Order: sequence, then structure tokens, then C-alpha cells
Amino acid sequence: TQLLEQSPQFLSIQEGENLTVYCNSSSVFSSLQWYRQEPGEGPVLLVTVVTGGEVKKLKRLTFQFGDARKDSSLHITAAQPGDTGLYLCADSASGSARQLTFGSGTQLTVLP
Amino acid sequence: EAQVTQNPRYLITVTGKKLTVTCSQNMNHEYMSWYRQDPGLGLRQIYYSMNVEVTDKGDVPEGYKVSRKEKRNFPLILESPSPNQTSLYFCASSGLFSTVRPLHFGNGTRLTVT
Repeated sequence: TQLLEQSPQFLSIQEGENLTVYCNSSSVFSSLQWYRQEPGEGPVLLVTVVTGGEVKKLKRLTFQFGDARKDSSLHITAAQPGDTGLYLCADSASGSARQLTFGSGTQLTVLP
Repeated sequence: EAQVTQNPRYLITVTGKKLTVTCSQNMNHEYMSWYRQDPGLGLRQIYYSMNVEVTDKGDVPEGYKVSRKEKRNFPLILESPSPNQTSLYFCASSGLFSTVRPLHFGNGTRLTVT
């Protein structure tokens, strides 16, 4: 069974700071999705990365996919309170394209 | 507006009293799934459905039932709820599921079983 580990589990920073959160797998990802979940809502997809070494940018968010496709990172530049939420990574490398395996998430709090 | 709608948002019940959480999507998606979210454990899949009348177990199916009689609806049934089923539940849907298609989630149902 694939295990996705996200770190750190909790992160509290001041507005304007930069941060990076990580997602690591015990096996090779087929593709990786990053979601953000705000309080009282369901997760919302931010990005999907597919190719080893891929880098995608979404405004102040930069997503990297490791060359070996066993790790990924999310970097936020100049964090804002609106970035507060639970960041989840998910992969379908569990052997079935019908299921996504989710990490337990990084809870980010950006203080004004 | 494209959305996944779950009802109710909050539910408090007692052990053993059957309940149903409804889920409906208006995007004509083939794939639908139920997850539960618990602190430190992330999202764990309960059941999923690839299309009408096609359902299969996820990672934590014990104590749950589902049905898919119509494409848009995918209710979650707890025949005899127990306190360890207290959790936050999410329904999700996706088009012809592939590794790069996103899941669209509902806003969740917080269930408390006493």
C-alpha cells in the first residue's frame, strides 16, 4: 500500500514570509495532485503534475515534481492570510486509476 | 453552477439508528466517491462508483453501504451507526476518471454518533 507523507504537519507563519511544504511517497507517483481545503469546505484542486522534474506556477504558488517522481513540493512566496488552509497531496499510484491516495495534509496558518 | 451537493451538513444521531447522507452532482460525471476525514489520518476512501449500478469498496468500507441507481446521485448509508463512525464525510465526483482529472468535492457532512 502506498504511503504519502506530508511535512510539516502544521505550519504557522507571518504574512509576507515564504514557505515550502513537502509530499513524499514510498513508491513512484503516476501523477500527483495538490488540493487546498479551507475550513468548512471540501478540497479544491490546485494543480496536477505528471512529468518528473516538472515545475508549475500558480500565481505565488510553485509546484515541483521530483525527477524520480517520488516527491513533490509546494512553495508559497509572500504568503497571505488567504493562503490559510489544509494542503493535501494525492496520487493514484496505489495500483488503481480508480482511487486516489491522499496524504494527511499540512495545516497552514498565515497570520496577518 | 457546477457543484456537488451533500445533505445534511451536520448530523447528530445515536448508535444503531439508520441514516443516509445524500450526494448529488450536476456535472454528468461518471465517477463518484465517498471519503471520510479524520484528524491525522487524511482522507480515506469508503466506496466509489464508476457508473450507474457499478460500485466498489475503498479502503474503509466496513459499516457503510452505497447505491448508484442514477448517475447524479450516490447516497451513503449507515445501517447501524457506531461512535467510531463519527467523522467528516465528503462526496466527490469526476469525469471519466483518469489520473489527471480533478475530483470535485462537496462541502462535507459532519456526523456525530453518540
